[in-house]
Amino acid sequence: DAGVTQSPTHLIKTRGQQVTLRCSPKSGHDTVSWYQQALGQGPQFIFQYYEEEERQRGNFPDRFSGHQFPNYSSELNVNALLLGDSALYLCASSLVSVNTEAFFGQGTRLTVV
Amino acid sequence: TQLLEQSPQFLSIQEGENLTVYCNSSSVFSSLQWYRQEPGEGPVLLVTVVTGGEVKKLKRLTFQFGDARKDSSLHITAAQPGDTGLYLCAGVIPGANSKLTFGKGITLSVRP
Repeated sequence: DAGVTQSPTHLIKTRGQQVTLRCSPKSGHDTVSWYQQALGQGPQFIFQYYEEEERQRGNFPDRFSGHQFPNYSSELNVNALLLGDSALYLCASSLVSVNTEAFFGQGTRLTVV
Repeated sequence: TQLLEQSPQFLSIQEGENLTVYCNSSSVFSSLQWYRQEPGEGPVLLVTVVTGGEVKKLKRLTFQFGDARKDSSLHITAAQPGDTGLYLCAGVIPGANSKLTFGKGITLSVRP
């Protein structure tokens, strides 16, 4: 049973470029959440997708957008990259219910130069 | 202002020692989770606590959820070098639909 998988594992982009990160949730899970983790910090919630719609959103600008596909996989898109967007981007999958457990992928390390 | 405060921020101990670390908030959580994260990897779920006062054990790790569901502690008995890592606590605010709010984490180093 595959866990949460993310691609790519590492990525280097230039300021102003756009990037797309991908996530496949754990088998049987229907909800995908994205987090940004800067160096030395805990993960910060970006947004959550369920039934192909954005359900919740954290305090991130509109440059951050996402999508969920019918097979529950998800993409995170970031436009007009800034140096400050350099971070580990984590995808977490879960089942839609309160108090449910979230399982994380290994993350995508994005470096903006 | 950090919703979840973890302490201490850094801890370096000798193999075989016991330790307790804390996760505190002024907010009530419907559940709280502890994760361990290795450098460059995603967090790995250790435990979820849901009921106030709940105690869960995972081998040498003991987790407790405060009676008021605002805080939690993690106790490690006879720490081993393999326990080294970043320990994150994360809470779900009631009605937040599994959105996790994380603390900054506790960096634990266990010396052989």
